[in-house]
This record gives sequence, structure tokens and C-alpha cells, in this order.
Amino acid sequence: GNSVTQMEGPVTLSEEAFLTINCTYTATGYPSLFWYVQYPGEGLQLLLKATKADDKGSNKGFEATYRKETTSFHLEKGSVQVSDSAVYFCALSSYGGSQGNLIFGKGTKLSVKP
Amino acid sequence: NAGVMQNPRHLVRRRGQEARLRCSPMKGHSHVYWYRQLPEEGLKFMVYLQKENIIDESGMPKERFSAEFPKEGPSILRIQQVVRGDSAAYFCASSPRRDPSYEQYFGPGTRLTVT
Repeated sequence: GNSVTQMEGPVTLSEEAFLTINCTYTATGYPSLFWYVQYPGEGLQLLLKATKADDKGSNKGFEATYRKETTSFHLEKGSVQVSDSAVYFCALSSYGGSQGNLIFGKGTKLSVKP
Repeated sequence: NAGVMQNPRHLVRRRGQEARLRCSPMKGHSHVYWYRQLPEEGLKFMVYLQKENIIDESGMPKERFSAEFPKEGPSILRIQQVVRGDSAAYFCASSPRRDPSYEQYFGPGTRLTVT
């Protein structure tokens, strides 16, 4: 079945450090890929998405590129801020029997220190 | 345009009681998904509904759990005879289409605690 694997946390960085959170997936066909962010006590918000191979999603300085050859969708940011502290979830959604249902990774908690 | 609304935000139930969780999707959205987040874990799909229909309930436990999305009013996730293992955050999300390329918009969640 379809699945998402993302790097375990927590990740602790200093402000202005470079961030990478790895995400790989297993899926048949051509899923859409998402990064969602969850701030403490809140629901999930879409951070960025990509719907086909080689697409790059970007938002608020975060980027991720849909790499079909490596089945990856790694999240990057060049310079993190304290306000980026949150839990980040990689997710996929595919066509077929469970069309549209999101499959999530376990989440990576990011803490950014001033 | 109001976002997805869920209530209550926090719910405490004793073992054996019933829990009712409500979700009002974004205006114009007729597709609702429910997810459960257990402590220290990611979200797991439970059920997908369109107005008046359950389309996919493959992620929902067979016993004690049910969901509905009536023609009028919010979607309801109902858990009968709750047990400690039901303690979790329950999120609903809505979307304008059942399309994998479309974003799902999440509510703030209901945090259920079973004592």
C-alpha cells in the first residue's frame, strides 16, 4: 500500500540555520505530495504542495521538489526563524480506491532557538 | 470566509460514555474527511463523506465508531462506549472536490480525553 516515511525528530536548530527534513514515499501511479505544518494546539495548515514529477512547491521560504526517480519530497529552508517552530508532516494523496485520502508521515518536530 | 469549524475543542468523557464530535466544513465544500492523531503519531485517515453519504470508511474501527454528514448541519463523528485508547485528537478536513491534487482544509481539532 501507499506510505510516507519522514525523518524522525525532534530537530533543534539555531535561528538562521539551514533546514532539511527528509521525506520519501511509496505509491503506485502519480500521487500528489504535500507538506503540512501544525503549530501547538492547532490544526494542520498546508505549507506547500506538488502534483507532478519535477514540480517545486514553495511558500514562506520553504521549498520541496517532487523527485519521482528517488520517490522523495524533502523540505528545505535556507534560514529558519523561531516562528518556524512547529511539527511538519509530509503527506501524499493518490488516485484509485482511496482517492483523495491523505496518508501522512509521523511528523517531525522542529524547535528553533534564538 | 470562515474556515473549518470543529466543536468542542476539548472533550472529557468517562469510560463507557458517548462522544460526539462536530465538524462544519468550509462554505461550498461538500467533501469531509476525518482523521485521528494519536499521541506522538501522525494523522490516520478514518472516514470520507459527501453530503448524506459515507463514501470510504476503511480507516474507521468497525465497532463503536460511526459518522454522518446530513443534508443540513455539520458532520458528526460518534464514538460509543469510549475506552482509554480512544483518547486522541480528532481532525476533520474539507475540500471542494475529491481530487488528490486539491488541498484539504483542516479544522482546529477536538481533543478527546477518556478518563
